[in-house]
Amino acid sequence: GAVVSQHPSRVICKSGTSVKIECRSLDFQATTMFWYRQFPKQSLMLMATSNEGSKATYEQGVEKDKFLINHASLTLSTLTVTSAHPEDSSFYICSASRTSGGGQETQYFGPGTRLLVL
Amino acid sequence: LAKTTQPISMDSYEGQEVNITCSHNNIATNDYITWYQQFPSQGPRFIIQGYKTKVTNEVASLFIPADRKSSTLSLPRVSLSDTAVYYCLVGDIPRDDKIIFGKGTRLHILP
Repeated sequence: GAVVSQHPSRVICKSGTSVKIECRSLDFQATTMFWYRQFPKQSLMLMATSNEGSKATYEQGVEKDKFLINHASLTLSTLTVTSAHPEDSSFYICSASRTSGGGQETQYFGPGTRLLVL
Repeated sequence: LAKTTQPISMDSYEGQEVNITCSHNNIATNDYITWYQQFPSQGPRFIIQGYKTKVTNEVASLFIPADRKSSTLSLPRVSLSDTAVYYCLVGDIPRDDKIIFGKGTRLHILP
């Protein structure tokens, strides 16, 4: 249980185009999903917190108009990188929170999406 | 959010037990401790989670002293495939509503 998928796993696009990344919780419902970005040899950096049915909460320094997040259902959140530039090339990872039997919520992560902007 | 401190890197040999300690001096009453494993170009994988004392599952054990200001992830009889980055996280979703990753510990297993 607690499987999170991402699609696509890898994408190459031209500068100026938009790219959409999907994050799905396959066997549980997640009211909260998170989007991270990770550069080589660095830790994960939280970009935004996505709550089902409401606007996402962005971390300081993350442009909400550039990184559009839609959490339309309890199993799907999407991240759209608009007008992508080479500096947006990175590894994007989502996670979804699942409540355990003891009441504690745990984050489960997707496999990540490698974005390369040419 | 409790800040965590881990060793930047560790080396060990196949078949050995590896213990990675994480300090979290500012842990709050409601905070749980969670450890993740990450391989290159993959998302972090949940290893184990605990609140106090000892937790054990099929892959690892987690030791938490009474003051909860630190925790130790124990990996029994490591193999080459355990080479990865290990992250210790402390927090209480949904109260905190997010968890911040530290730098993690890069574990290198040698043959």
